[in-house]
Amino acid sequence: AQSVTQLGSHVSVSEGALVLLRCNYSSSVPPYLFWYVQYPNQGLQLLLKYTTGATLVKGINGFEAEFKKSETSFHLTKPSAHMSDAAEYFCAVSDPPLTGGGNKLTFGTGTQLKVEL
Amino acid sequence: GAVVSQHPSRVICKSGTSVKIECRSLDFQATTMFWYRQFPKQSLMLMATSNEGSKATYEQGVEKDKFLINHASLTLSTLTVTSAHPEDSSFYICSARDRPSADTQYFGPGTRLTVL
Repeated sequence: AQSVTQLGSHVSVSEGALVLLRCNYSSSVPPYLFWYVQYPNQGLQLLLKYTTGATLVKGINGFEAEFKKSETSFHLTKPSAHMSDAAEYFCAVSDPPLTGGGNKLTFGTGTQLKVEL
Repeated sequence: GAVVSQHPSRVICKSGTSVKIECRSLDFQATTMFWYRQFPKQSLMLMATSNEGSKATYEQGVEKDKFLINHASLTLSTLTVTSAHPEDSSFYICSARDRPSADTQYFGPGTRLTVL
């Protein structure tokens, strides 16, 4: 079974400061990893994903994440926070497509990012 | 590209009535659609996986007769909450992928259901 742990349900940073949202996963097969962002009363928007290849992946809005197999982590970072980054962020894991897991996403509990002036 | 819509965005209904929520892929054909439920301040929980032309696969603990899913075409899946009760009030979100080998799901904007 897969699982995702997001440390810190709430993270607060100052505008312009580094954003670090933590995600650790558990998977019995090489995982596919995703970060999604959710604004109030909206669906999820894909920020970035790791499937195979380069372990440092860049996404939209200046976000990036690094897959570290030895640490089973996929932390999300952004060098400089902007007010518009305030939202809920979800880390998710799935099995590779066409495998027994059926490409189902398992989500973490989410991290609410607050950006202060 | 890869836009998924949901209708309605909000619905309020009386206890005991049924509510249908539509999920459409606007610019691609979705071989598979997923339905999630999200309680306030919580994560998304997968309810069921819907494949076009076949019966949906429900997650453990999800009542099939309560949450009817129909995926009649490659661009439309519907979720019907039958005999809704206040505890069914939630945010329902669908997602879709365009082929079995696709690694990414594209999410709709969600439907807020309130049962009085």
